[in-house]
Parts: sequence; structure tokens; C-alpha cells
Amino acid sequence: DQQVKQNSPSLSVQEGRISILNCDYTNSMFDYFLWYKKYPAEGPTFLISISSIKDKNEDGRFTVFLNKSAKHLSLHIVPSQPGDSAVYFCAAHSGNTPLVFGKGTRLSVIA
Amino acid sequence: DTEVTQTPKHLVMGMTNKKSLKCEQHMGHRAMYWYKQKAKKPPELMFVYSYEKLSINESVPSRFSPECPNSSLLNLHLHALQPEDSALYLCASSQVVATYNEQFFGPGTRLTVL
Repeated sequence: DQQVKQNSPSLSVQEGRISILNCDYTNSMFDYFLWYKKYPAEGPTFLISISSIKDKNEDGRFTVFLNKSAKHLSLHIVPSQPGDSAVYFCAAHSGNTPLVFGKGTRLSVIA
Repeated sequence: DTEVTQTPKHLVMGMTNKKSLKCEQHMGHRAMYWYKQKAKKPPELMFVYSYEKLSINESVPSRFSPECPNSSLLNLHLHALQPEDSALYLCASSQVVATYNEQFFGPGTRLTVL
């Protein structure tokens, strides 16, 4: 049973436009959500997080939105740059349990 | 310093070899993790150490043996591996296991089992 779902395996966006990556979860106990970015043959890099008491967190070009009633979060990247091309993993946390990862979305930003 | 280091970067071993992967962090984190990642898949949790004690073993075969010599170091001892164990092995750390703690990942060790 997949508790964190990223239903789009890939996404292509033009440079300068907005990239929107989506993530859905099923476990209502999750209270902390994270996005990681991963280049091939490297470890994931922490990007941005949001706690369940917020609905938005912003860091530079990256904004994460959380809709608790829909159990949905999204990562917005604006403007998108070619260096943003990577696999993005959504992850969720609750209590003392380790992170639960989604399967990832491959973002390609086209110049 | 928000770095997790892993050695070696690449490792090729035969099925009869014994080798070890090493991980180090100096952020004062008390939780350390081993993950296995296959291509086009998310990281798959193997082991969790909390305050140098093994707290989670996700039913990993005994040919993988973790060790936490101190709060900064984490090893993964490998013995009699199978070709299907070839993957990227990632180490991560966080302040503690509990929520509201980001995990920081190392660059990984690319393991090939012949």
C-alpha cells in the first residue's frame, strides 16, 4: 500500500516557466512533508519542507503548498531553470517513524 | 557543516568477497540510516540507528550487517552478496528519528556485485 504517491513519473517544462510537481498521501497521521531533489548517481538533496500546521512555505524559487483536507501537496518552481532537471521525491513523516518516500517525478527543463 | 560523507564512491565485488561501506557525519545527529536505491525507484530503507542502537531493521538479509561504532560513524558490512544486490547505497542522518527532522543524505556508494 503506497502511502505517498507521485502519479506523474515525468514532467517537461520550458525554461522560465513554472514547474508544478504533485504529491498525494493517504496517511492522515503524517505531519511533516519534505521534497528532495536527486541527480543521477548522487544522494537526494533536501529542498524544502512544510509542517501540517502550515499551508505554504517558500524558499526562493521553491514554494510548497499543502492542502490537508485533500491530502495533497505540490512543489512550485518558478522560474524553472535547466539546472532544475532532476528527479524530485516527495516524502512524509509522522511521529517516530522514518520517512516514507513517493516514487519520484523526473523533471526536464528545456532551454 | 551539513555534509554526510560516504566511502568508497564505487565498489565492485564478487559474490564471495567481504567488503564494508563507510558513512560519516559531524552534525551531531543521533539518527543514522542506510538506504538502498535501484534505478528509477525511491530510496528503500534498510536500517535505522538511533543513539547508536539499531532501532529498525527492515527485514534485510543477513548478508548485510550494519554497525555503528560511535555517534558519527556508520558502517555496512557486506558478505556473500548476490548480483541483485547491485544498487546505490545511501547513508543519511537526522537530529533524531522523530518527525520535523530533515534527513541529510550522503552521495552514495555505487555497488556492483559480479
